[in-house]
Amino acid sequence: AQTVTQSQPEMSVQEAETVTLSCTYDTSESDYYLFWYKQPPSRQMILVIRQEAYKQQNATENRFSVNFQKAAKSFSLKISDSQLGDAAMYFCAYRSPGNNNDMRFGAGTRLTVKP
Amino acid sequence: DAGITQSPRHKVTETGTPVTLRCHQTENHRYMYWYRQDPGHGLRLIHYSYGVKDTDKGEVSDGYSVSRSKTEDFLLTLESATSSQTSVYFCAIMDNLLSGNTIYFGEGSWLTVV
Repeated sequence: AQTVTQSQPEMSVQEAETVTLSCTYDTSESDYYLFWYKQPPSRQMILVIRQEAYKQQNATENRFSVNFQKAAKSFSLKISDSQLGDAAMYFCAYRSPGNNNDMRFGAGTRLTVKP
Repeated sequence: DAGITQSPRHKVTETGTPVTLRCHQTENHRYMYWYRQDPGHGLRLIHYSYGVKDTDKGEVSDGYSVSRSKTEDFLLTLESATSSQTSVYFCAIMDNLLSGNTIYFGEGSWLTVV
């Protein structure tokens, strides 16, 4: 079974600075989807960004971008110009396109933004 | 907004009592899921549905049952609640057409079993 590992339980960043959250995964598949979700104190799970494994270009959504290294099975999230509202738990997730019954999540990284 | 509504949002119940959580969606998605979230575990799949009356087990299905009699509703039942089922429960749907099989979540239901 695929596993997702987030090795940083907690991270902190100064407001307006850049932070990178790490995620690695284990799979034998060649095609899959990767996601980052944000969970603020409200506990709502909010999709931040998604990446299809067959795409070589790294996904970008405004201040959020990923560094997808397929061979290394690494999928890090970079947050630029950090804002106080970015403070949240961030979860990395993996899903196989041929498997509609599951998405594997990492344990999460708690991001603190310092003013 | 994926049009997902969970009810109740908060519930406290006693050990041994049955509990049903409801997930309602408004956009006719085929796939629906129930996850639970516990510290240190991220989210884990309990059960999922791939159509009306079509359901299957996930990673942590023991002690839970589900039903889907209509496309829009997916019910999660704890037949006899235990303290280990104290958790936050998330319903989710998968959007196949517009967003490339992305899973979207409801707002969560907080369940405390005392």
